[in-house]
Amino acid sequence: AQTVTQSQPEMSVQEAETVTLSCTYDTSESDYYLFWYKQPPSRQMILVIRQEAYKQQNATENRFSVNFQKAAKSFSLKISDSQLGDAAMYFCAYRVGYNQGGKLIFGQGTELSVKP
Amino acid sequence: EPEVTQTPSHQVTQMGQEVILRCVPISNHLYFYWYRQILGQKVEFLVSFYNNEISEKSEIFDDQFSVERPDGSNFTLKIRSTKLEDSAMYFCASSELGQGHGELFFGEGSRLTVL
Repeated sequence: AQTVTQSQPEMSVQEAETVTLSCTYDTSESDYYLFWYKQPPSRQMILVIRQEAYKQQNATENRFSVNFQKAAKSFSLKISDSQLGDAAMYFCAYRVGYNQGGKLIFGQGTELSVKP
Repeated sequence: EPEVTQTPSHQVTQMGQEVILRCVPISNHLYFYWYRQILGQKVEFLVSFYNNEISEKSEIFDDQFSVERPDGSNFTLKIRSTKLEDSAMYFCASSELGQGHGELFFGEGSRLTVL
């Protein structure tokens, strides 16, 4: 069974600094997607960034980038120039690629606080 | 931008009562999902639905739960006889046919409080 593990329950970063959130996953599949979702206090799930497993290039979305290490089954999120609005719960998630209706499997989440 | 909408945003109910949570997925999406998040815990998969039938369900989704797509737009989750432990945020999500970019689009959630 596929699993997603986030080993950092809480992280803290100074405004304008950089922070990295860790995620590891376990799967025997070769075709899959990985995601980071942000959940602010409103509790809505907001997609931050996605990575297709077949792509070697790490995804980047403005201040957000990932370090995807397929062999190590690691998928970390780097937030550069942290802003107060980045404070939220961040969930790493996995979805198998070949099954079009496949479910999303979430990690336990990392609560990020941003200090002014 | 198309979005998934959920109603109600918050419902308070007495233990043993039936609850129906409603969702309107994005119009051209064909895969639908319900997830549950107990306060402070991870987001847990409940059920997926495609072509008017359940595709997959978790062990949480027991006989007290059911899903339905009663018309062309709504997707509902029914809890027949609520328990205290059903208190949680319930998220509806949808995804399009074909992989697209693979992500699920989530609604804003329905908070259920069982007293």
